[in-house]
Amino acid sequence: EAGVAQSPRYKIIEKRQSVAFWCNPISGHATLYWYQQILGQGPKLLIQFQNNGVVDDSQLPKDRFSAERLKGVDSTLKIQPAKLEDSAVYLCASSFQGATNEKLFFGSGTQLSVL
Amino acid sequence: AQKVTQAQTEISVVEKEDVTLDCVYETRDTTYYLFWYKQPPSGELVFLIRRNSFDEQNEISGRYSWNFQKSTSSFNFTITASQVVDSAVYFCALSQKAAGNKLTFGGGTRVLVKP
Repeated sequence: EAGVAQSPRYKIIEKRQSVAFWCNPISGHATLYWYQQILGQGPKLLIQFQNNGVVDDSQLPKDRFSAERLKGVDSTLKIQPAKLEDSAVYLCASSFQGATNEKLFFGSGTQLSVL
Repeated sequence: AQKVTQAQTEISVVEKEDVTLDCVYETRDTTYYLFWYKQPPSGELVFLIRRNSFDEQNEISGRYSWNFQKSTSSFNFTITASQVVDSAVYFCALSQKAAGNKLTFGGGTRVLVKP
């Protein structure tokens, strides 16, 4: 079974530039998550999708971050314009239904460096 | 509100020693799940174990065991007879229905197993 796919693996940009990350969840998983993991910290949820609808985006900095999952399958997370503090690993995860007891399956992440 | 605290930032052991990771959580909900995830150097978080709030029975699964105590809001995790491959960052996480099933992670504990 294919896991959660993310690309690119690494990205280096200058501040004020734009960047986009892509995620393809496990086939059949309705729930997709984007997490931000700053070095030395635990992952923090940015946005959660159920199919193509947003369930939780309370911690997404909406003035610069946007995300979509138009067909309820793969998803794109965009940052525009990037700031130095956006340097982090962006993790995508998926689960079957998003229930309280479900385990999440994670991709390898995209490591973003903003210079 | 939900919060997870892992007080230990790094633990270093010699191979075959046991390692116990501490986790303390805060929640107002009576129904919740606790998880442990492992993040090896490759970056992909991998699910290890989960426990629901109604089951305080401690269990052993292979070299992993866990101690769940509601009275102290703790969910500690032990690796018995550690191996070099156990070197990773370990995260404790909490999910509760009242918070929209959002998975909240602790700050992580880095485990270094030396040969």
